[in-house]
Amino acid sequence: KAGVTQTPRYLIKTRGQQVTLSCSPISGHRSVSWYQQTPGQGLQFLFEYFSETQRNKGNFPGRFSGRQFSNSRSEMNVSTLELGDSALYLCASSKNRRDTGELFFGEGSRLTVL
Amino acid sequence: AQSVTQLDSQVPVFEEAPVELRCNYSSSVSVYLFWYVQYPNQGLQLLLKYLSGSTLVKGINGFEAEFNKSQTSFHLRKPSVHISDTAEYFCAVSYQTGANNLFFGTGTRLTVIP
Repeated sequence: KAGVTQTPRYLIKTRGQQVTLSCSPISGHRSVSWYQQTPGQGLQFLFEYFSETQRNKGNFPGRFSGRQFSNSRSEMNVSTLELGDSALYLCASSKNRRDTGELFFGEGSRLTVL
Repeated sequence: AQSVTQLDSQVPVFEEAPVELRCNYSSSVSVYLFWYVQYPNQGLQLLLKYLSGSTLVKGINGFEAEFNKSQTSFHLRKPSVHISDTAEYFCAVSYQTGANNLFFGTGTRLTVIP
């Protein structure tokens, strides 16, 4: 059974650009969550999607957005990139919302903003 | 405020020795507690979880944790560590049923010394 797949794994952008990251959850999983991991702030929750609807949102500015498609695949977008957006972005899936916190993580997309 | 505190940022321990990684959380009526492990250049993997019931929970790779409501702690233990246990360990808490917006601690780097 394939795990959570995130693309691209690495990318470099410059300030002011925008970026889109993709996440394919484990087959049959309907919930997708996104986390940002940085050395200074640690792991911080961005948002969670279930059945194409955003269910929870973390404390991030509106430049961070996401969506989920009918096949449960998800994308997140960051517009007007800032240096502080450099981070490892982790996607996690779970089967349904009853399995509280039982997340399966991808290997992440490492974003560097120059 | 909702938060998780991991008191030790780094824990070195000799191979085959016991280890305890400490975690405290801010109290709430309902808490769901987790330990995740992150190996280098990988995503996070669930080690164990406490949702309800027995306060002693057993996880993968010989790890266990005890939920202590009075001390608001959820310490992770292993009686005998192996070189392969070298990794970053994260304690996490959810305050909502059916939600995957976890609050993570800052992590504890466990280094097993041969």
